[in-house]
Amino acid sequence: QKEVEQNSGPLSVPEGAIASLNCTYSDRGSQSFFWYRQYSGKSPELIMSIYSNGDKEDGRFTAQLNKASQYVSLLIRDSQPSDSATYLCAVFYNQGGKLIFGQGTELSVKP
Amino acid sequence: NAGVTQTPKFQVLKTGQSMTLQCAQDMNHNSMYWYRQDPGMGLRLIYYSASEGTTDKGEVPNGYNVSRLNKREFSLRLESAAPSQTSVYFCASSARVGGPNANEKLFFGSGTQLSVL
Repeated sequence: QKEVEQNSGPLSVPEGAIASLNCTYSDRGSQSFFWYRQYSGKSPELIMSIYSNGDKEDGRFTAQLNKASQYVSLLIRDSQPSDSATYLCAVFYNQGGKLIFGQGTELSVKP
Repeated sequence: NAGVTQTPKFQVLKTGQSMTLQCAQDMNHNSMYWYRQDPGMGLRLIYYSASEGTTDKGEVPNGYNVSRLNKREFSLRLESAAPSQTSVYFCASSARVGGPNANEKLFFGSGTQLSVL
């Protein structure tokens, strides 16, 4: 089992809809969780971080964390074509101090 | 402010050749990472260095070696390149953000496209 797993997609949503991206992880001791966005041919960029159970909102983005279920998600409200990218979930493993990424979910927002 | 600088941006090797990918950061970060990215595989950790003087294996270390030359520089070496090492390689460094358990925002280099024929 991969340490961090995401649905690979592609996920296609119409403009203005809510896009929901999901991620599960295997280490119960993990404390820090991140969502990165990567446009084709570019480097990943951090868009959200979350450390506590519950929701964290930043503009159109909401990260949700449930440590009991080892589950983290990203909601994008009012999706725009410019949100079309690959979204990478990352989990920090305290043992060894390493950041592990999922395989990424490709999101396509159709005008 | 350059951030994380990787060289080269593109490289073509023949099977069995060796090469070193260079990475330098000017943000005084303690941690540095090397990832590879293949289609549908996300970013896979090759090696990382949590602090100057230490290096550790990641998810896919076979066929690679690293050197943390000083706090700024972290190089990745392919001793005998294989076609399976054709990939995009990203170097990254990290700074601690938030509280004691809050890690680790990564700053990425622009990547190296490596092809092994």
